[in-house]
Amino acid sequence: GAVVSQHPSRVICKSGTSVKIECRSLDFQATTMFWYRQFPKKSLMLMATSNEGSKATYEQGVEKDKFLINHASLTLSTLTVTSAHPEDSSFYICAASYNEQFFGPGTRLTVL
Amino acid sequence: EDQVTQSPEALRLQEGESSSLNCSYTVSGLRGLFWYRQDPGKGPEFLFTLYSAGEEKEKERLKATLTKKESFLHITAPKPEDSATYLCAVRRGSGNTGKLIFGQGTTLQVKP
Repeated sequence: GAVVSQHPSRVICKSGTSVKIECRSLDFQATTMFWYRQFPKKSLMLMATSNEGSKATYEQGVEKDKFLINHASLTLSTLTVTSAHPEDSSFYICAASYNEQFFGPGTRLTVL
Repeated sequence: EDQVTQSPEALRLQEGESSSLNCSYTVSGLRGLFWYRQDPGKGPEFLFTLYSAGEEKEKERLKATLTKKESFLHITAPKPEDSATYLCAVRRGSGNTGKLIFGQGTTLQVKP
């Protein structure tokens, strides 16, 4: 139980394009989902907290217009990186909360 | 300020050599301390949640304990497949959907 999927697992895009990452809780309903970013050999940095049907809450320093989050249902949240630039290249991980936070497998974004 | 500190940063063990990882924390209103395992290029895998001082939980060769200031992850007779980064996190805030504050992790390498 408590399986969280992410799609895609890897994406390479050109600078200036937008990329959408999907996060799904497969066997439970998650009222809250979280989006993290992880740099090499670093710990997880929380970007935003997403509640179903309401606007996401962004952490300080995270641009909400650049990282668009939609939590349309209890099993799906999406993160869209708009006008991506090379500095947005990173490992993005979502988590769905059901008592504990269960993490997805992550998405490796490379912006050329 | 809420803070989580893990030590050591890296640990090398021989197969069968037991040891402990430390997670020290300061948080107002602790609502759970979490241990995760993360393999390279993957999302964190949930291991344990501890809620109150004195609580202990076990899973195979791993045992987690909690005091009012720190948590230990004891690894008994580790095997090479236990090699990974172990992350500790504390949750604060209301309910079961409060955000997690992560430590920097301990990277464990177990040599055969």
